[in-house]
Amino acid sequence: QSTLTQPPSVSGSPGQSVSISCTGTSGDVGYYNRVSWYQQPPGTAPKLILYDVTDRPSGVPDRFSGSKSGNTASLTISGLQAEDESDYYCGSYTSRGTWVFGGGTKLTVL
Amino acid sequence: QVQLVESGGGVVQPRGSLRVSCVASGFTFSSFGMHWVRQAPGKGLEWVALIRYDGTKKQYADSVKGRFTISRDNSKNTLYLQMDSLRAEDSAIYFCAKSPRYYYDSSGHFDHWGQGTLVTVSS
Repeated sequence: QSTLTQPPSVSGSPGQSVSISCTGTSGDVGYYNRVSWYQQPPGTAPKLILYDVTDRPSGVPDRFSGSKSGNTASLTISGLQAEDESDYYCGSYTSRGTWVFGGGTKLTVL
Repeated sequence: QVQLVESGGGVVQPRGSLRVSCVASGFTFSSFGMHWVRQAPGKGLEWVALIRYDGTKKQYADSVKGRFTISRDNSKNTLYLQMDSLRAEDSAIYFCAKSPRYYYDSSGHFDHWGQGTLVTVSS
């Protein structure tokens, strides 16, 4: 199965905003509004931070937001904090009834 | 609170078999679909398999279809993944993950994850 395309790395300074893109196809990201984002610090399990493109689970700060246009979804982190340094993965349900993830993006807080 | 605890990982030779398990607590296990997701060392996440809340539907990634079998025992709150004909490229941390909605297979996300169990396929 193909993976969704994410930039390998992004960086930003504390207080700044950064965005991470996630590009798929009309059979996954573009098919449903069932895109999710996960935060995974090294050596830990993924943690859900956004689902259904824009929704946040309870406890996730509103600094984390999501959007989607066509076959590309985006995660934006505003007011960057040192604790946001992590790997981030997007995921999507597909028209085949399977699930697919992006290759991951390493966020560095400068 | 929701807890998912995987076990059973280890080192296995190519073409060998292994079964990993995931014990769930903190929610009504028998009401939720469950997934296996894996992550090769230093690599991204890869969805592996889904099983419906009652075990009547199973779905697999193409990369494991015909070699892996997902199952569950709702009386023991336990999810399983039987892995046969293992290959080097199956080496990964295997996470179990929970679907977010009662009796519904097609949610786009996984709301809780275990810590994973490491499977290494090597001679």
